[in-house]
Amino acid sequence: QVELVESGGTLVKPGGSLRLSCAASGFSFSDYYMSWVRQAPGKGLEWVSYIGSSGDSIYYTDSVKGRFTISRDNARNSLDLQMSSLRVEDTAVYYCARLSFEAFDIWGQGTMVIVSS
Amino acid sequence: DIVLTQSPATLSLSPGERATLSCWASHSVSTYLAWYQQKPGQAPRLLIYGASNRATGIPARFSGRGSGTAFTLTISSLEPEDFAVYYCQQSWAFGQGTKVEMK
Repeated sequence: QVELVESGGTLVKPGGSLRLSCAASGFSFSDYYMSWVRQAPGKGLEWVSYIGSSGDSIYYTDSVKGRFTISRDNARNSLDLQMSSLRVEDTAVYYCARLSFEAFDIWGQGTMVIVSS
Repeated sequence: DIVLTQSPATLSLSPGERATLSCWASHSVSTYLAWYQQKPGQAPRLLIYGASNRATGIPARFSGRGSGTAFTLTISSLEPEDFAVYYCQQSWAFGQGTKVEMK
């Protein structure tokens, strides 16, 4: 079945770095744009970044520009998010999501990132 | 950048009642609008895309309509499992959510 599984979330100190991964299965990964969406505790959804199907188009929300890097490996059906200079306000559940018809149609279960000293 | 505003923030209803949720866009988005349902501790689930198209497996009691700047999500008759938070989304923007709670 179609599935996205995130990993890599943990507790990290402010200023630290972390790499999140998302493993895709059950669909042709290389055909789809992919995205990261986050949700701070008790808050709403916030889009973080997206990457085009071949990795050519990449966009970030302003608050993570210069600190986060999205990448994908179509041969391994995987999506990554390299996060650096982490701030307390980056604390959130990070979801990997598939884009289809301008909507996020498949979501992973999420991975929790806590930035705290 | 587009801003999506949802109303009301909270909707208190009983099972069997009709729920009408609104989403307003700061400028026209044609019909490029989606709706999601999120239950506590779970990932969001796509309900509606393209303003009015139900996603795979979504029951017919969920319907969406609208175009331009004004959109609605209607749940025709609330089931116990429908009490959740609902978000609208367009491009890289999400609304702030409407919580549908049991009265």
